[in-house]
Amino acid sequence: AQTVTQSQPEMSVQEAETVTLSCTYDTSESNYYLFWYKQPPSRQMILVIRQEAYKQQNATENRFSVNFQKAAKSFSLKISDSQLGDTAMYFCAFMPYQGAQKLVFGQGTRLTINP
Amino acid sequence: DADVTQTPRNRITKTGKRIMLECSQTKGHDRMYWYRQDPGLGLRLIYYSFDVKDINKGEISDGYSVSRQAQAKFSLSLESAIPNQTALYFCATNDRLYGYTFGSGTRLTVV
Repeated sequence: AQTVTQSQPEMSVQEAETVTLSCTYDTSESNYYLFWYKQPPSRQMILVIRQEAYKQQNATENRFSVNFQKAAKSFSLKISDSQLGDTAMYFCAFMPYQGAQKLVFGQGTRLTINP
Repeated sequence: DADVTQTPRNRITKTGKRIMLECSQTKGHDRMYWYRQDPGLGLRLIYYSFDVKDINKGEISDGYSVSRQAQAKFSLSLESAIPNQTALYFCATNDRLYGYTFGSGTRLTVV
């Protein structure tokens, strides 16, 4: 069974700073996807970034980028030039490429951006 | 209109009551899922379905049941609600390639 671990329950940074959220996972699958989801106070689950395991290049979406280390089973999210609107709960998630494609989530990291 | 619609948005119910949470989607996806979110635990899978005749238990199905009335509708029932079922519930669809689309969640409180 797959597991996803986010070891930082809460983080807080000043606006415009860069922050990195950690995520590790455990799986025996060779093909899979990894995701970061953002959940603001509205509680909507918003996809931030997606990484396919077979791709060596790290995914980037504007101010959001990942550091994907497949051998170490690590998938961290870096937010550059953080903004007040980045304040949210962030979830790391794993999805096998095949089969039922059940999403497995980490515990979440609550990120606060201070003005 | 939202791609995945959940009703109600919030609900308070009493212990022992039967309650149904509803989910409908306009994405045309076969795969639908129900997840439960608790603080410090993330989201955990309750049930999932690949079509109206294919229902599967997730990791925390005890105390819950589901019904896939049509490709677009997937309901979650609590037959006899208990306080530890107080949580935020999400319905989601999956297109197999690009990932999940989530509803806006139902916050359920059992008193």
